[in-house]
Amino acid sequence: GESVGLHLPTLSVQEGDNSIINCAYSNSASDYFIWYKQESGKGPQFIIDIRSNMDKRQGQRVTVLLNKTVKHLSLQIAATQPGDSAVYFCAENQGGKLIFGQGTELSVKP
Amino acid sequence: EAGVAQSPRYKIIEKRQSVAFWCNPISGHATLYWYQQILGQGPKLLIQFQNNGVVDDSQLPKDRFSAERLKGVDSTLKIQPAKLEDSAVYLCASSPGHSVFYEQYFGPGTRLTVT
Repeated sequence: GESVGLHLPTLSVQEGDNSIINCAYSNSASDYFIWYKQESGKGPQFIIDIRSNMDKRQGQRVTVLLNKTVKHLSLQIAATQPGDSAVYFCAENQGGKLIFGQGTELSVKP
Repeated sequence: EAGVAQSPRYKIIEKRQSVAFWCNPISGHATLYWYQQILGQGPKLLIQFQNNGVVDDSQLPKDRFSAERLKGVDSTLKIQPAKLEDSAVYLCASSPGHSVFYEQYFGPGTRLTVT
């Protein structure tokens, strides 16, 4: 089936900088996307979601951008903190089921 | 509010042995999911329950995996017999409703190593 994937497996940023994590999806019919954060030894934690009728959604220090033309999703984290270090997954709704991408590991340098 | 509980946290078994995982969802959550997460990959849905009924088990390898949620609360996932490729983290999640638009709350997972 069609899949969701990430461009970069690892990302290293300086504390205080902004982070951008990218995700490509291939199913143009997908109508709902979620970003999850997974810390070591824990389950994924919901960060932010976006429906396909939107191109931008903001949360606390996070913004998700959706570009349906090129089937691309990104997560922006402002003023990245050490506590943001984790693996980030995008997930896509396919037929009522969440399909997760591979994940990007974010490392924050003090 | 207590989160999703899973046990055991870690399990090491030899191939061809059997193993069982237990999940207690958030109180009141009707929907329960089991996911398999292989190292370096995103979680993959194995089975979804709505109360004590199965909604989707299309990706559950039914020749060796089974799951139940008899009273619509706790759930167990069993593997019998285990293969080397079953080494993974098994995540349980719960949500208030069966639609994907309801937030899923994940437990810490059970890390299974098959030797």
